[in-house]
Amino acid sequence: AQSVTQLDSQVPVFEEAPVELRCNYSSSVSVYLFWYVQYPNQGLQLLLKYLSGSTLVESINGFEAEFNKSQTSFHLRKPSVHISDTAEYFCAVSALNRDDKIIFGKGTRLHILP
Amino acid sequence: DAGVIQSPRHEVTEMGQEVTLRCKPISGHNSLFWYRQTMMRGLELLIYFNNNVPIDDSGMPEDRFSAKMPNASFSTLKIQPSEPRDSAVYFCASSNIMGFGETQYFGPGTRLLVL
Repeated sequence: AQSVTQLDSQVPVFEEAPVELRCNYSSSVSVYLFWYVQYPNQGLQLLLKYLSGSTLVESINGFEAEFNKSQTSFHLRKPSVHISDTAEYFCAVSALNRDDKIIFGKGTRLHILP
Repeated sequence: DAGVIQSPRHEVTEMGQEVTLRCKPISGHNSLFWYRQTMMRGLELLIYFNNNVPIDDSGMPEDRFSAKMPNASFSTLKIQPSEPRDSAVYFCASSNIMGFGETQYFGPGTRLLVL
């Protein structure tokens, strides 16, 4: 079975500062990895995902995440955050090449300070 | 496509009443998921269907909860009788296929308050 740990429940950061949201996973098999974002009063939506190939994946709004197999991590980063990035971010994992459910972490709430 | 549609968006009811939440998945999607989100417990997977068949309902909290998917375009989550601890936001999500790295698409949620 897979599991996901998001080490920080809340992360405050000043506008235009860089941010890193941490995610570690545990699995006995190879995995797919995801970051979903939930803006206030909305459902979750996919931000980016790692399926295979390059370990660095990027989103259209400037976020990136790097799959590190040795560290079993998939941390999310952005070099300069904007007030519109205020949201809750969920890391998630599912088993490779299987018809299996996605396991979500508990989420990290990103607070952008003016 | 309109995305995943959920109704109602908000529901306020009294303890003991029956509550029915509805979901219309994205057309052509074969998998459907029901989640519950609370501050205390975060996002919990309640049940999921593949090709209208329930695959895993181990997340359903107790017998008061039931879910059905009579066809590919409609699912319901029913709570009978409702209790205050059922207050939460309930999300429905759908995906094209089950697993294999496929993206799940979430609806806007139903915010349930049981008094």
